[in-house]
Amino acid sequence: GESVGLHLPTLSVQEGDNSIINCAYSNSASDYFIWYKQESGKGPQFIIDIRSNMDKRQGQRVTVLLNKTVKHLSLQIAATQPGDSAVYFCAEEARTGGGNKLTFGTGTQLKVEL
Amino acid sequence: EPEVTQTPSHQVTQMGQEVILRCVPISNHLYFYWYRQILGQKVEFLVSFYNNEISEKSEIFDDQFSVERPDGSNFTLKIRSTKLEDSAMYFCASRYQGNTEAFFGQGTRLTVV
Repeated sequence: GESVGLHLPTLSVQEGDNSIINCAYSNSASDYFIWYKQESGKGPQFIIDIRSNMDKRQGQRVTVLLNKTVKHLSLQIAATQPGDSAVYFCAEEARTGGGNKLTFGTGTQLKVEL
Repeated sequence: EPEVTQTPSHQVTQMGQEVILRCVPISNHLYFYWYRQILGQKVEFLVSFYNNEISEKSEIFDDQFSVERPDGSNFTLKIRSTKLEDSAMYFCASRYQGNTEAFFGQGTRLTVV
């Protein structure tokens, strides 16, 4: 069956350091892989996505890397700030029709220490 | 900035009662979704809705669940006879097209007692 999972449930980093959050997936049919950020008491917030035919995509302070050979996805956050503290979910979807449901992983708690 | 809004933010209900969770998706969006998140767990897909009909639903979305878009702005999730295990955060999401990002609301925390 399909599954998306995370290696580390909690990641603590010092403010200003770079953060790397990892995710493993098993559904090779997914078209897109997405990172969402969820702050306490809020809904998931889109950060960045990457299409399955790409291996790297950069946004503002964030970079997503996709390694299809080992079915691994990572989110790199540069110069981590206190406002980055949240739970980060990877998700995958096959954008093939009207459903296009997201399948979420279990989440990684990022804690930024001052 | 346009956003998905959900009401109420918190709903407490007796087991066996019916609840309706309400969502106002972003106005020009065409695809609508409900997800749920049991405390401390991952976000789970419930149902997707497009062109006034269900596109896909998960195993969780059984006969006790239904969705409706009663007018041009609201999107509702009804649970006919709530169970204790229905207690969770319920998130509504919408997207403009199938290949664009999904925007989530703040969620409704449903507590069944």
